[in-house]
Amino acid sequence: DAKTTQPPSMDCAEGRAANLPCNHSTISGNEYVYWYRQIHSQGPQYIIHGLKNNETNEMASLIITEDRKSSTLILPHATLRDTAVYYCIVRGPNFGNEKLTFGTGTRLTIIP
Amino acid sequence: NAGVTQTPKFRVLKTGQSMTLLCAQDMNHEYMYWYRQDPGMGLRLIHYSVGEGTTAKGEVPDGYNVSRLKKQNFLLGLESAAPSQTSVYFCASSYSTGVPSYEQYFGPGTRLTVT
Repeated sequence: DAKTTQPPSMDCAEGRAANLPCNHSTISGNEYVYWYRQIHSQGPQYIIHGLKNNETNEMASLIITEDRKSSTLILPHATLRDTAVYYCIVRGPNFGNEKLTFGTGTRLTIIP
Repeated sequence: NAGVTQTPKFRVLKTGQSMTLLCAQDMNHEYMYWYRQDPGMGLRLIHYSVGEGTTAKGEVPDGYNVSRLKKQNFLLGLESAAPSQTSVYFCASSYSTGVPSYEQYFGPGTRLTVT
């Protein structure tokens, strides 16, 4: 699976959009981009995933560049409960490749 | 739905003691996983199971054993605990690893300290 690079930490004002970048320059054509978050030592929580097209769900939006070498997770109206470590993970669809490779992620702090 | 539950939540062991961590899920998921997370680090896969009666090694399997006798349960065993196994242990489950529906559901974690 391709490696990812994320900034170690970010701050965002409450109510503003939080934009979390992720670089995955070695991503393969069949690899997906997944985002998880971990709130204060709880178990990680799935947020969203995508392949090529931009994706949106009730939690967030995922913007993937046309060359797929980077992506941005957008939390449109950040709240204090969004303070967490956010993990960007690249993973292929192969059966038997069971591992989710969690890096150190981005620690997002929402400022009141 | 309770989702994924883990027992116990906390445990302190002495070096050389053994214990079993229990993971249970009520979502009828085929796949189950055990991860460990050390301070300031991401999660690392210990063992996983793709179905009842099957297990496989992950990234850091040494010192651990697992069993999946029932579909809903996945047990992680430490036969002879070592201080290096002090960590937070997370269990997860998923329907399958096929996309696009691939998503892992995580339990709340077990905090283990080995002295």
